[in-house]
Amino acid sequence: AQSVTQLGSHVSVSEGALVLLRCNYSSSVPPYLFWYVQYPNQGLQLLLKYTSAATLVKGINGFEAEFKKSETSFHLTKPSAHMSDAAEYFCAVKGNNDMRFGAGTRLTVKP
Amino acid sequence: GAVVSQHPSWVICKSGTSVKIECRSLDFQATTMFWYRQFPKQSLMLMATSNEGSKATYEQGVEKDKFLINHASLTLSTLTVTSAHPEDSSFYICSATQNGKYNEQFFGPGTRLTVL
Repeated sequence: AQSVTQLGSHVSVSEGALVLLRCNYSSSVPPYLFWYVQYPNQGLQLLLKYTSAATLVKGINGFEAEFKKSETSFHLTKPSAHMSDAAEYFCAVKGNNDMRFGAGTRLTVKP
Repeated sequence: GAVVSQHPSWVICKSGTSVKIECRSLDFQATTMFWYRQFPKQSLMLMATSNEGSKATYEQGVEKDKFLINHASLTLSTLTVTSAHPEDSSFYICSATQNGKYNEQFFGPGTRLTVL
């Protein structure tokens, strides 16, 4: 069965610093992987997705993620954090029919 | 494109009453819709999968008689929380897959349910 593990439930960075949110996956088949962002009391917004095309995936708001099969990882990065990036981030993998989510990482951005 | 709406966005009800939450795909047909539940500071947990015109498939531990799901059309699924209790208070999120595009789900904005 497919699953994802997010390392670090809380990440804090300074404004302008690099953002790195970690996600490792487990899948017996080539995975479809996603990163979502959730602001308080809102639904999920898709940041980017990997669907077996390019291993470096660029998303919205300056985020990108690299699929590394050898490391079974799909880490999310952004070169320079903005205050508006403070939110909860979820990594997800498509299961047989449903979506399997990681536990989430709360990103705090300090001024 | 691929917009999913939920109604209401928030609801407060008394213990023992039933609450219906609607999930609509606005600009596409959705053969499959999913209902998730999210407790504060936690991840989304899949409750059930509903296919248009058939009975929903519930995840282990989810009471199907308490959480009634109806997917009567290709654009509408409803979740009814029957005889709600305070422990049912949560954020409920639906999602839908577009016909022929089963590798991505489109999420609604969520419904905050508070049971007093």
